[in-house]
Amino acid sequence: AQSVTQLGSHVSVSEGALVLLRCNYSSSVPPYLFWYVQYPNQGLQLLLKYTTGATLVKGINGFEAEFKKSETSFHLTKPSAHMSDAAEYFCAVSDTGKLIFGQGTTLQVKP
Amino acid sequence: NAGVMQNPRHLVRRRGQEARLRCSPMKGHSHVYWYRQLPEEGLKFMVYLQKENIIDESGMPKERFSAEFPKEGPSILRIQQVVRGDSAAYFCASSPKDRGPYEQYFGPGTRLTVT
Repeated sequence: AQSVTQLGSHVSVSEGALVLLRCNYSSSVPPYLFWYVQYPNQGLQLLLKYTTGATLVKGINGFEAEFKKSETSFHLTKPSAHMSDAAEYFCAVSDTGKLIFGQGTTLQVKP
Repeated sequence: NAGVMQNPRHLVRRRGQEARLRCSPMKGHSHVYWYRQLPEEGLKFMVYLQKENIIDESGMPKERFSAEFPKEGPSILRIQQVVRGDSAAYFCASSPKDRGPYEQYFGPGTRLTVT
């Protein structure tokens, strides 16, 4: 069965600093991997996804993630944090259609 | 193209009452997924439906919960005899046929409070 582990339930960065949110997955088949963002009291918005092909995936709002099969990782990065990036971020893997989510990481951005 | 619609956005029920949550998928989408987000927990898959058919209900609690996606109209998640532990945000997502593994579009959620 597929699973996802997000390391760090809370991450705090200063505005302008690098954002790094960690995600490791377990999958018996080539995975489809996703990052979603959730702002307070809202639904989930897709940031980016990896299905096949290029392992460095670029998404919206300046985020990107790299699929590393050898490390079973799909970490999310952004070179420079903005205040508007403060939200909860979820990594997910697709398992026969349904999404299996990690526990989520709350990103705090300090001025 | 309107996004996934869910209503109501907020729902308050007393213990023992029934809750009905509705989800209208994006136009042209024939597959619907329901997820639940309990306080301090991540999102958990509940059920995957296509029109008039349940594909995967492995995440549904065995009792009191049911889901349907009729040929016409929205998908409905029904919770009978609600208990306080059912208080959560319920999210619906939709996808085009056969693209569920690659793209799911989420609605804004229904926040259920059981008093």
